[in-house]
Amino acid sequence: DTGVSQDPRHKITKRGQNVTFRCDPISEHNRLYWYRQTLGQGPEFLTYFQNEAQLEKSRLLSDRFSAERPKGSFSTLEIQRTEQGDSAMYLCASSSPGETQYFGPGTRLLVL
Amino acid sequence: LAKTTQPISMDSYEGQEVNITCSHNNIATNDYITWYQQFPSQGPRFIIQGYKTKVTNEVASLFIPADRKSSTLSLPRVSLSDTAVYYCLVQAGNNRKLIWGLGTSLAVNP
Repeated sequence: DTGVSQDPRHKITKRGQNVTFRCDPISEHNRLYWYRQTLGQGPEFLTYFQNEAQLEKSRLLSDRFSAERPKGSFSTLEIQRTEQGDSAMYLCASSSPGETQYFGPGTRLLVL
Repeated sequence: LAKTTQPISMDSYEGQEVNITCSHNNIATNDYITWYQQFPSQGPRFIIQGYKTKVTNEVASLFIPADRKSSTLSLPRVSLSDTAVYYCLVQAGNNRKLIWGLGTSLAVNP
């Protein structure tokens, strides 16, 4: 296992379209996190899973956002009816409980 | 979660030692101090983590005084490839969400 992977790396979409991102964590990690990062800012927490259970969601995660981790392995983050303000880098990280979070390369979203 | 404060930017030259200090006055007993490095358009990369005193790995050293209200990341003999943003975070022992500041943008000049 070479680390956390994310797909796609880049996504350009039109306002109003739905997009879905995928994250594959490090295989032995049971915790998975989603963050969002805009230019010049640090990452902002969105949500995290322990195995398949979504344990915490940020207020940043509006009802247009949904995240799943159906089998406790990979996770998807879907944004419905995208808005220009959703343009950002979406980062995924994974960890074991109490251990360091390791990040993937991110998915850069541009909403036109 | 404790908030951290670190300089917005720093400049250095190749071969110099760079020290970036972070203050975290409200750090809790169970909190760890973690530093990440981030290059443009990439995810953050873990550098080092410590609880107290000094921690050293192949990349950096982390100095934490006894009161733990601050920490200093030390990068020995920086090169141009060390130009990046460096984030200091205080991480709860149960390792839930990380709270990020703006980081320190380090520019290493020839």
